[in-house]
Amino acid sequence: DQQVKQNSPSLSVQEGRISILNCDYTNSMFDYFLWYKKYPAEGPTFLISISSIKDKNEDGRFTVFLNKSAKHLSLHIVPSQPGDSAVYFCAPRNYGQNFVFGPGTRLSVLP
Amino acid sequence: NAGVTQTPKFQVLKTGQSMTLQCAQDMNHNSMYWYRQDPGMGLRLIYYSASEGTTDKGEVPNGYNVSRLNKREFSLRLESAAPSQTSVYFCASSEDGRLSSYNSPLHFGNGTRLTVT
Repeated sequence: DQQVKQNSPSLSVQEGRISILNCDYTNSMFDYFLWYKKYPAEGPTFLISISSIKDKNEDGRFTVFLNKSAKHLSLHIVPSQPGDSAVYFCAPRNYGQNFVFGPGTRLSVLP
Repeated sequence: NAGVTQTPKFQVLKTGQSMTLQCAQDMNHNSMYWYRQDPGMGLRLIYYSASEGTTDKGEVPNGYNVSRLNKREFSLRLESAAPSQTSVYFCASSEDGRLSSYNSPLHFGNGTRLTVT
């Protein structure tokens, strides 16, 4: 069973609009949640994180929301730019364990 | 500052051949990892090394071996390659690994694309 699901394999958004990427998890012991961004032919790069003691973390155009009761995480990008087109992975972790990666969502931002 | 460097970038093997993927990091990180990425499956952990001198199996270790040569280098070896090992392999490092603080994400190399025919 997948512990981390990203149910939208792909998402297309118009430039300037909001992109919302979702992530659902089953392990209630996860305490630290990361988002990674991956361009083709490159490795994933760390984007933003949130700990389980918070419900929101903001960094510029990127905001991550955590709903622990629903075991749901979302990444908001506002405004979306063509350079945001990439694959986004959520990766939670339980303290003392390794990160678990979701399958990824491919975001396309259309000019 | 190169970060995490992987070699080679591409490799084609025949079934049964062996090869070693090399990884080096220059960030003085304690922990290093090998992942494979397959379509629709995200990144799956093959092996990791929490600190110099230690290695442990991850989620999908079968068919692989690793060596933590020193603090900088962590290699992945395929002794007898199989078509199921066709994948993109990523090496990563982090400051303190599983017991890290909240400010210790993984840093990835650019990957090795391996095809086994």
